Amino acid sequence: RKEVEQDPGPFNVPEGATVAFNCTYSNSASQSFFWYRQDCRKEPKLLMSVYSSGNEDGRFTAQLNRASQYISLLIRDSKLSDSATYLCVVNRGSNYGQNFVFGPGTRLSVLP
Amino acid sequence: NAGVTQTPKFQVLKTGQSMTLQCAQDMNHNSMYWYRQDPGMGLRLIYYSASEGTTDKGEVPNGYNVSRLNKREFSLRLESAAPSQTSVYFCASSVRGDEQFFGPGTRLTVL
Repeated sequence: RKEVEQDPGPFNVPEGATVAFNCTYSNSASQSFFWYRQDCRKEPKLLMSVYSSGNEDGRFTAQLNRASQYISLLIRDSKLSDSATYLCVVNRGSNYGQNFVFGPGTRLSVLP
Repeated sequence: NAGVTQTPKFQVLKTGQSMTLQCAQDMNHNSMYWYRQDPGMGLRLIYYSASEGTTDKGEVPNGYNVSRLNKREFSLRLESAAPSQTSVYFCASSVRGDEQFFGPGTRLTVL
């Protein structure tokens, strides 16, 4: 079993739709959590960090459930520009980046 | 600020050839990383450097070596390329465990 698993996708949704991605992680010692966005043939870029209390950034909402070891990302009012692959990233348990574990990603296509 | 830069962008090698991938960052970050990304798999850590003067193996170090030349530069060397090393290679840097900033990647094909 992979340490970080995501919905395999792809998700094809119309503009304006709401879409949710799920991510589970197996290491209960994991300390910090992130969603990265990766456009086709480009580098990953941080979309948002995920906090225990949940956090929102415009149309994007991230939730963390430590008991279930589950992270989610909700995108409301999808735009064409949201089409990308979304990577769930977990820091296994230190203050250092060498413990980042990347999920395989979920691809989103927003259709006109 | 250029952020993280990588050269080359594309490379084709024959089995057994060697090459060095270059990476530089201008954000004064202490930590730097080399990842590879293969279809259907997450990014996997090859080597990292927590600070200038130190390097350590990541998840998939076999067939690679690294050099942390100074605080800005971190290079990845393939001594004898194999087809299994065909991949997209990303360099990244960070302040400890915070957000990682990635370079644009190198697409490597080994024939």
